[in-house]
Amino acid sequence: AQTVTQSQPEMSVQEAETVTLSCTYDTSESDYYLFWYKQPPSRQMILVIRQEAYKQQNATENRFSVNFQKAAKSFSLKISDSQLGDAAMYFCAYRDPFTGGFKTIFGAGTRLFVKA
Amino acid sequence: ETGVTQSPTHLIKTRGQQVTLRCSSQSGHNTVSWYQQALGQGPQFIFQYYREEENGRGNFPPRFSGLQFPNYSSELNVNALELDDSALYLCASSSGAWDEQFFGPGTRLTVL
Repeated sequence: AQTVTQSQPEMSVQEAETVTLSCTYDTSESDYYLFWYKQPPSRQMILVIRQEAYKQQNATENRFSVNFQKAAKSFSLKISDSQLGDAAMYFCAYRDPFTGGFKTIFGAGTRLFVKA
Repeated sequence: ETGVTQSPTHLIKTRGQQVTLRCSSQSGHNTVSWYQQALGQGPQFIFQYYREEENGRGNFPPRFSGLQFPNYSSELNVNALELDDSALYLCASSSGAWDEQFFGPGTRLTVL
């Protein structure tokens, strides 16, 4: 079965600095999607970035970028120039079209604190 | 364009009761997925509805059931509530089963 592991329950970063959140996953599939979601205190889950496994190039969205290592099954999120509004829970998630139907599998999350 | 909305925001029930949670999908979306998020954990997939049919289900017992209506809004019903059902219930809509999901703010259910 597919699993997603986030080994950092909490992380802290100084405003304007860079932080990297870790995620590993386990799958026997070769084609799948990986996501990072942000969940602020308002509880609404927001998609931060998405990566298709068949794409070699790492996805980027403004200050957010990923380091996708397919062989190592690693998918880390780098937040550059951290802002106070980045403080939230961050979830790594996995989805594939072959097993498990259409479900998205989430990790346990990493709580990010941003210090002014 | 209206986003995904859920009602109610909070709900308190007692063990053994039944509950119905509601989700209005974003305009133009025909797919709704439901997730249960226990405190301190990531969301767990309950099921997905695509054009009024259940399209996939996670590891939840049959007392978790759902509906999708012709306007693509959806309900999640939970019978015989247990204490462990206390959680945040999230719905997400998308324009297709594999397209980007847009989440609602969730319903916080407390079972006493």
